Amino acid sequence: DAGITQSPRHKVTETGTPVTLRCHQTENHRYMYWYRQDPGHGLRLIHYSYGVKDTDKGEVSDGYSVSRSKTEDFLLTLESATSSQTSVYFCAISAGHGSNQPQHFGDGTRLSIL
Amino acid sequence: RKEVEQDPGPFNVPEGATVAFNCTYSNSASQSFFWYRQDCRKEPKLLMSVYSSGNEDGRFTAQLNRASQYISLLIRDSKLSDSATYLCVVKGLGNEKLTFGTGTRLTIIP
Repeated sequence: DAGITQSPRHKVTETGTPVTLRCHQTENHRYMYWYRQDPGHGLRLIHYSYGVKDTDKGEVSDGYSVSRSKTEDFLLTLESATSSQTSVYFCAISAGHGSNQPQHFGDGTRLSIL
Repeated sequence: RKEVEQDPGPFNVPEGATVAFNCTYSNSASQSFFWYRQDCRKEPKLLMSVYSSGNEDGRFTAQLNRASQYISLLIRDSKLSDSATYLCVVKGLGNEKLTFGTGTRLTIIP
């Protein structure tokens, strides 16, 4: 299995509180991604990173920010969590930019915003 | 129209049978194609990439039809352990964005 660790695995918090999810990889891969998965939707990209301090928005980036200060860590922050952000969050990594490079996923974080 | 469309199922298939899924994609510029499987409450895992000429990995065969913009997955001699949701995934050229279908749920019945 790809060396990807997400933390926490589960979190319950209240509306309006800040939340930070962490993704840690041991593969030294350049690309890292955050997705959310909701019933009736495929996985949707929130943000991704193509190197240290290099990030870009995905299709559902509103309400989320990211940071990547080290190759191995990619943080996802909800500045002020809302109930619509209740979801399962997956981190993924990819070795390169080539179109045939698949992505490998972490175990996921189940986040509930009450 | 969704970028990637799959029949959500569920497909309930007896053990040992052959089952096939199709997936259609809307962007003709799509360059790479994958099938992932996802077990209940688990992360998606790469099952196989899909190559232009079609490819096989054991009991699994993937096909790509660019003219009709669909990909398929065939599972032969299905096992109980094949029960999962199968995700069709499409990637464009020169970008890192994967577009996921919502998945086809397969249950293999003993």
